[in-house]
Amino acid sequence: AQSVTQLGSHVSVSEGALVLLRCNYSSSVPPYLFWYVQYPNQGLQLLLKYTSAATLVKGINDFEAEFKKSETSFHLTKPSAHMSDAAEYFCAVSEMDSGNTPLVFGKGTRLSVIA
Amino acid sequence: DAGVTQSPTHLIKTRGQHVTLRCSPISGHKSVSWYQQVLGQGPQFIFQYYEKEERGRGNFPDRFSARQFPNYSSELNVNALLLGDSALYLCASSLDSSSYNEQFFGPGTRLTVL
Repeated sequence: AQSVTQLGSHVSVSEGALVLLRCNYSSSVPPYLFWYVQYPNQGLQLLLKYTSAATLVKGINDFEAEFKKSETSFHLTKPSAHMSDAAEYFCAVSEMDSGNTPLVFGKGTRLSVIA
Repeated sequence: DAGVTQSPTHLIKTRGQHVTLRCSPISGHKSVSWYQQVLGQGPQFIFQYYEKEERGRGNFPDRFSARQFPNYSSELNVNALLLGDSALYLCASSLDSSSYNEQFFGPGTRLTVL
């Protein structure tokens, strides 16, 4: 079985500060890992995904995440927060090379950006 | 290009009623998945369909059912609604059922059960 733990249900940063959202996963098989963002009253948008090609993954809007197998982590970072980054962020896992496994999501982290 | 579309946007039902939610995938996508997102939680997998066949089912009661049509659109049906079924229902489409391919999410249907 797979699971995702997102540490911190709410993170608050100042505009221009580093953003760090934490995600730890549990998987008995090699995983694919994803970060999604959800703005109020909207669906989910993919920020980036890890598919084993490279451990440091770059996504949209200057977000990036690093896959660390030894720590079973996939933390999301952004060097400088913008007001527009305020949203809910979800980390998700699925089984690598599987034909029919769904995404398993964490509970989410709400990011607030203070001017 | 149009993204994933869902209808209706909002829906209010009373306990015991039945509801049908609809989803149209991105053109060319053959797989549709349904997720339930309760307020304050991450989405939880309900069903996946690929080429009109059920390929996966989450831990939901039999009151929940779905189907996929020849044009790859999909319906999610929920019978005998409970208060706890109040949630945002998200549909996601992908090229096929492979976990490698990105799932594109629609804006969701907000269901309120009174």
